[in-house]
Amino acid sequence: GDSVTQMEGPVTLSEEAFLTINCTYTATGYPSLFWYVQYPGEGLQLLLKATKADDKGSNKGFEATYRKETTSFHLEKGSVQVSDSAVYFCALSSGSARQLTFGSGTQLTVLP
Amino acid sequence: DAGVIQSPRHEVTEMGQEVTLRCKPISGHNSLFWYRQTMMRGLELLIYFNNNVPIDDSGMPEDRFSAKMPNASFSTLKIQPSEPRDSAVYFCASSREATNEKLFFGSGTQLSVL
Repeated sequence: GDSVTQMEGPVTLSEEAFLTINCTYTATGYPSLFWYVQYPGEGLQLLLKATKADDKGSNKGFEATYRKETTSFHLEKGSVQVSDSAVYFCALSSGSARQLTFGSGTQLTVLP
Repeated sequence: DAGVIQSPRHEVTEMGQEVTLRCKPISGHNSLFWYRQTMMRGLELLIYFNNNVPIDDSGMPEDRFSAKMPNASFSTLKIQPSEPRDSAVYFCASSREATNEKLFFGSGTQLSVL
């Protein structure tokens, strides 16, 4: 079945550091890929998405590129802020129902 | 827009008791999802509804769990009897897109079964 594998956390960075959170996937068919973010005490919210190979999703300074050849969708940000501290989930959807399959989440803490 | 509203935010109960979690989706959204989040298993889809009808309940762990959606603005997830291994954060999410890919999550219910 479909699955998403994220890099293990937690990740701790200083403010303005470069961020990469790795995500790889296994899926039948041609999935869409997503990053969701969960801030403390809140539910998940969609951060960005990409629907086909070589698409780049971007939002709030975060970017991720759909790499079909490596089945990856790594999340990057050039300069993180304290307010980016959250749990980040990689996800995919495939099949006729397009239901989401989530990764295990990666906790990011940004220190001032 | 008030977003997806869940209640209660926290629930502490004893093993064997009945627990009912509540959810109000965003108005106009026609799909509703219940997820469970634990450290060990991550985020798991329990059940989802489309136009108030249960479509896929294959993620419901066992018969102790049941979910209803009597109308477009309300859903419940019930656990009877509850067990300590049910302790988790339960999220409700809704969507208005046919593909169900863009979900709006509530803040969750933290359930502790002692």
